[in-house]
Amino acid sequence: GQQLNQSPQSMFIQEGEDVSMNCTSSSIFNTWLWYKQDPGEGPVLLIALYKAGELTSNGRLTAQFGITRKDSFLNISASIPSDVGIYFCAGENNAGGTSYGKLTFGQGTILTVHP
Amino acid sequence: GAGVSQSPRYKVTKRGQDVALRCDPISGHVSLYWYRQALGQGPEFLTYFNYEAQQDKSGLPNDRFSAERPEGSISTLTIQRTEQRDSAMYRCASSPSMAGELFFGEGSRLTVL
Repeated sequence: GQQLNQSPQSMFIQEGEDVSMNCTSSSIFNTWLWYKQDPGEGPVLLIALYKAGELTSNGRLTAQFGITRKDSFLNISASIPSDVGIYFCAGENNAGGTSYGKLTFGQGTILTVHP
Repeated sequence: GAGVSQSPRYKVTKRGQDVALRCDPISGHVSLYWYRQALGQGPEFLTYFNYEAQQDKSGLPNDRFSAERPEGSISTLTIQRTEQRDSAMYRCASSPSMAGELFFGEGSRLTVL
């Protein structure tokens, strides 16, 4: 099946630093998504990318959909303590108008921010 | 509540028993999804519904797993003759449309002894 490789597995940073994480796939996806999961909660969507090459921002978050459609990255600028959590990338193949919401997730990046 | 509600939040059962996990989606949401999340991993797709119709069940591991959504609202994921390898967090998500954002519930943690 499809596999997503997410890196790094974990990051320990100081408050105020910028963060970058990425995701690569052996297969093409036509949608890339980034989620954040807090302890005891379900994943929450941060950014969705629908077009190869697309660069999208949401506040301090910026994500890009790779040209090859096999990779994506997420940047967080000027990190704050509440950025702590697990970040997941996810890919979706919804060609032909089917399989919306059938996501393949990466293994996650655990982010720790020291005040 | 306003979010996706799952019950029970925690379930401990003995190997061989059947379990039923319930998902109450956000009111009016068309699509409902079941995912399974092992510790330290991302969620893994199991099955999904548009209204009451099961659209894709390719992620169900074997025929001990089944799901239904008879009235297009609440869904039940049933695992028969549970095995230890079934232990995981089972997450439900719903979406307002067939191509919309997924809203995940807090999950049901299943432990099979």
